Amino acid sequence: DQQVKQNSPSLSVQEGRISILNCDYTNSMFDYFLWYKKYPAEGPTFLISISSIKDKNEDGRFTVFLNKSAKHLSLHIVPSQPGDSAVYFCAANTLWNTGNQFYFGTGTSLTVIP
Amino acid sequence: EPEVTQTPSHQVTQMGQEVILRCVPISNHLYFYWYRQILGQKVEFLVSFYNNEISEKSEIFDDQFSVERPDGSNFTLKIRSTKLEDSAMYFCASRWGAGLSGANVLTFGAGSRLTVL
Repeated sequence: DQQVKQNSPSLSVQEGRISILNCDYTNSMFDYFLWYKKYPAEGPTFLISISSIKDKNEDGRFTVFLNKSAKHLSLHIVPSQPGDSAVYFCAANTLWNTGNQFYFGTGTSLTVIP
Repeated sequence: EPEVTQTPSHQVTQMGQEVILRCVPISNHLYFYWYRQILGQKVEFLVSFYNNEISEKSEIFDDQFSVERPDGSNFTLKIRSTKLEDSAMYFCASRWGAGLSGANVLTFGAGSRLTVL
């Protein structure tokens, strides 16, 4: 049962433009969402997160939007840079459930074209 | 910046052999995880560990798998009798706490690539 879904396996964007990566979830108990970036042969690195009490969180060029009614979140990268080319995973869990797993999506491979 | 370290970076083994993957989580972290990623596929949860016991495990984590925190710093994943389908990148991760959003971020190691022949 795929509780976190990323329906776009890949995305190509011109340098300087906006990249929008999307993620959907099915479990309404999730109250914390994260985005990770992964380069080949490396571990995922944390990018940005948002709790369900917010609908937006911004950190520099990265903004995450959460739409709880639609069970949808998105990551906006603006402006996109070639170094942003990587696989992006969204993840979700429940804040107060100690020791529980983080559920990951299948990833979106972003290519930023110079 | 504190990091999660994993050894070995790459291990090649014969089917049926035992493998131990080692991890040193961030020192003040309390929750420990193993995930794996088969080439080109999703990141799959294996097991979480807190207070010296397994908190949650997936269907993948069958009797062939075990975890241990033998000395308060290392966190190991043992596969007793490896199968071809165990070939994957294994990621150790840790987090400081739960319940507070700042503590609820998983920090991953660089991974151990396991190749079963």
